[in-house]
This record gives sequence, C-alpha cells and structure tokens, in this order.
Amino acid sequence: KQEVTQIPAALSVPEGENLVLNCSFTDSAIYNLQWFRQDPGKGLTSLLLIQSSQREQTSGRLNASLDKSSGRSTLYIAASQPGDSATYLCAVRPFHPNFGNEKLTFGTGTRLTIIP
Amino acid sequence: GAVVSQHPSRVICKSGTSVKIECRSLDFQATTMFWYRQFPKKSLMLMATSNEGSKATYEQGVEKDKFLINHASLTLSTLTVTSAHPEDSSFYICSARRDRYQPQHFGDGTRLSIL
Repeated sequence: KQEVTQIPAALSVPEGENLVLNCSFTDSAIYNLQWFRQDPGKGLTSLLLIQSSQREQTSGRLNASLDKSSGRSTLYIAASQPGDSATYLCAVRPFHPNFGNEKLTFGTGTRLTIIP
Repeated sequence: GAVVSQHPSRVICKSGTSVKIECRSLDFQATTMFWYRQFPKKSLMLMATSNEGSKATYEQGVEKDKFLINHASLTLSTLTVTSAHPEDSSFYICSARRDRYQPQHFGDGTRLSIL
C-alpha cells in the first residue's frame, strides 16, 4: 500500500528566503506526482505535475523534482513571499493494472508560513 | 485552465436534514468525478469515484446510502448527505477529470456544519 509522507508538518521562514518542501513515498511504481497548494477553507490548486519519466518541472519561482528510485520529491520555492503562506500537499498517482482506476494518495501536507 | 465549480461553499443546517452539494466542470467534459472528505489538519480521504452514467464506486467504510452520488451528465455530479448528523460535519471536496490520461482538477470545497 502506497504511503506518502511530508515532513515537516509545519515550517516558518522569513520573507525572501528560498525553501524546500519534502515528499516521500514508499512505492516507486508511480504514474505521476503532483504538488498542490491549499489555502485555509479552500480547495486544491495544482502547482506542478511531474510524470514518472521526468526529473523536474518548473513554474515561475517553483521547481519540483522527482527521484523515483529513492521515493522522493521536493518542491523548491525561491524568494518566498507572504502570499506563499498555505498548506502544500503532494499526491502520488500509482500505476494500476486497470489504468484509469487508480486513486491518488495524498500526503498530510506541510503548513508553510512566510514571515514578513 | 480547467475549472471546477463547487456549490454551495458553506452549509449550516439542523441534524436530520439532507444536504446536496453540486460539482460542475465548467470548461470541459468530465468522464470521471471524485468526492473527497477532509478533516481538520488532515489530508484528503477519497469517498467515492463516479463515472458518467454509471453507479458510483465507494471506498471501504463509506456508506453509500448515507452519501448518495449522482453523475448524470458529463459536467455535473452531486453528493447528497442524507439525514445528516453532527459527525457528518466536514469539508467536502470534489474533483473532475476529462479522461484517464488527464489529471484531476479540484473544486473549492464545501464546509458542511450540522448543528
């Protein structure tokens, strides 16, 4: 059974600093991995999606990497801003013999606070 | 980008009431929609998966008679919490997927509070 872990559960950093969020998963047989942002009381906003054949994806100040063999992904945020404060979730989509029926497995998230 | 609209965003009602939550894909046709439940400071728990025109597939431990799911069209799925009780209070989030090759797109969630 796939397990997805995000450590730390909470992180506070001063504005302007670069930071890294971590996501680890136990089963390397994945189809893709996705990073989401969730603001309080809101749904999920997709940030980056990395296919299993890819090593990284970039969007603006965000860079996500994937190392399938070690079961790890990182989300790098450059030059952090107060508006980056939110909970960040990673989710793994596994391979499934009956493609299309697989379920996302979510991590428990990292609550990020950027201090002005 | 793909937009999923969820309505209402917040519901407060008395115990015993049935509550319907709508999930619409606004700019694409969704062959599959998903319903999740999220407890405070916890991650998302999949409740059920619905394919358009078919009965929903419920996850283990989710009462299908309690949580009625209808996916009658390619742009609309509804979740009805029947005879809701305080323990049903939670944050419910839907997502929609165009086809099996595409990622899921999430709605903004519905905060359900049962008094």
